[in-house]
Amino acid sequence: GDSVTQMEGPVTLSEEAFLTINCTYTATGYPSLFWYVQYPGEGLQLLLKATKADDKGSNKGFEATYRKETTSFHLEKGSVQVSDSAVYFCALSYNQGGKLIFGQGTELSVKP
Amino acid sequence: GAVVSQHPSWVICKSGTSVKIECRSLDFQATTMFWYRQFPKQSLMLMATSNEGSKATYEQGVEKDKFLINHASLTLSTLTVTSAHPEDSSFYICSARDYISLAPSTDTQYFGPGTRLTVL
Repeated sequence: GDSVTQMEGPVTLSEEAFLTINCTYTATGYPSLFWYVQYPGEGLQLLLKATKADDKGSNKGFEATYRKETTSFHLEKGSVQVSDSAVYFCALSYNQGGKLIFGQGTELSVKP
Repeated sequence: GAVVSQHPSWVICKSGTSVKIECRSLDFQATTMFWYRQFPKQSLMLMATSNEGSKATYEQGVEKDKFLINHASLTLSTLTVTSAHPEDSSFYICSARDYISLAPSTDTQYFGPGTRLTVL
């Protein structure tokens, strides 16, 4: 069946460091891919998405490229801030607003 | 952006009692809502898909009679955990699909803040 695998956390970085959170997927079809972020005490928010191979999603300085050949959707940011501390979830879906399959989440902690 | 609320945000109950959790879309109509369960340090697992005016669709392994879902209006879905036991303790999260008013390319799912259930 379809699944999503993320790198384990927690990930601890200093402010302004480069961030990469790895995400790979297994899919029987051609899904859309998403990154969601969950700040402490809040609900999940859509961070970015890509709907087809080679698409790049971007938002708030974060980027991820849909790589069909490596079945990956790694999240990157060039310079993290303390306010980026949160849990990040990679997910896939065959309909943009439909049923989501999530990875296990990666906790990011950014220190001043 | 669209807002989804959940009530209560946390609840403690005795074993054997039933607990109802509400999920509301505050500024949009949602024909579809989803219920997820999240264990500590783990991912969100989809429990069921709730469609307004029809029966919910449950994922494999989820007990329909234990987790009753009702989607009576376009802005409200409820999850009732019946005869709760300690193993039902978890973080329950709902989401609502905003699709009616937007173009398919902006079809998006919005999440509630979650409900922490503790069964003693």
